[in-house]
Amino acid sequence: GESVGLHLPTLSVQEGDNSIINCAYSNSASDYFIWYKQESGKGPQFIIDIRSNMDKRQGQRVTVLLNKTVKHLSLQIAATQPGDSAVYFCAENRNTDKLIFGTGTRLQVFP
Amino acid sequence: KAGVTQTPRYLIKTRGQQVTLSCSPISGHRSVSWYQQTPGQGLQFLFEYFSETQRNKGNFPGRFSGRQFSNSRSEMNVSTLELGDSALYLCASSLALVGTGLYEQYFGPGTRLTVT
Repeated sequence: GESVGLHLPTLSVQEGDNSIINCAYSNSASDYFIWYKQESGKGPQFIIDIRSNMDKRQGQRVTVLLNKTVKHLSLQIAATQPGDSAVYFCAENRNTDKLIFGTGTRLQVFP
Repeated sequence: KAGVTQTPRYLIKTRGQQVTLSCSPISGHRSVSWYQQTPGQGLQFLFEYFSETQRNKGNFPGRFSGRQFSNSRSEMNVSTLELGDSALYLCASSLALVGTGLYEQYFGPGTRLTVT
C-alpha cells in the first residue's frame, strides 16, 4: 500500500488494549474538531467529531476528549483490533473556514 | 450509494506539463473539497466548491485551480507542473459546507500524481 507519511509518530499497541492518540491544535478560536482514519491506499475516513462547547463525545469503541485550556484533543480507542491499524489525523475548523489537519499518528496493532 | 470517485487513480506527468483531475461526489452532495497529501507536508487544503462557487481557498499558488459543474462534479487543474507537485490529491464531498459541521465529509481514494 501507499505510505501517507514516512516519519509519522507511531503508537504500537497490543490487540485488546486501549489506544490513546493525541493531537495539539493551533488556534483557540477553532470550534469544530474531527478525527479521521486513513488506511493504506485509501482516503481518510470520518471517525468522530466534537464541537468546542463539549469536552467529551463517545462513539462505538471511540471517545474524543477536548481540552480547550491546553488546546489538546485525544482519541481513545477501546479494545484495539488489527483493523484499527492506520494513520489517524485530527482536523480543526474555525468559523466555517477550511479544515486544518494535524500531521497524523500511525497506529500499529500487534497480536 | 456510490462513494466519491476520482479519476484517474494514477498519473505520471513531466515537469512543465499541465494536468486535470476529476472528482464525482456522492449523489446529492453539493460541497467538494480538494486536498494535497505528501509525506513531508501532510494533508493540505486546496479549495472548496459549493454550488459551482469557490468558497474557501488554501495557500497554494495560482497554478492550482479548480471548478465545479452544475451536477456538482469537480475538476482541479495544475499548470506548469513542478517536481514538488508529486502527491496524492484527495477529493471529498459533503452535503453542506465543511465548516458548518452539519454533515460528514467523505473522501475519495485519491489520484496519485507523479511528476518526473
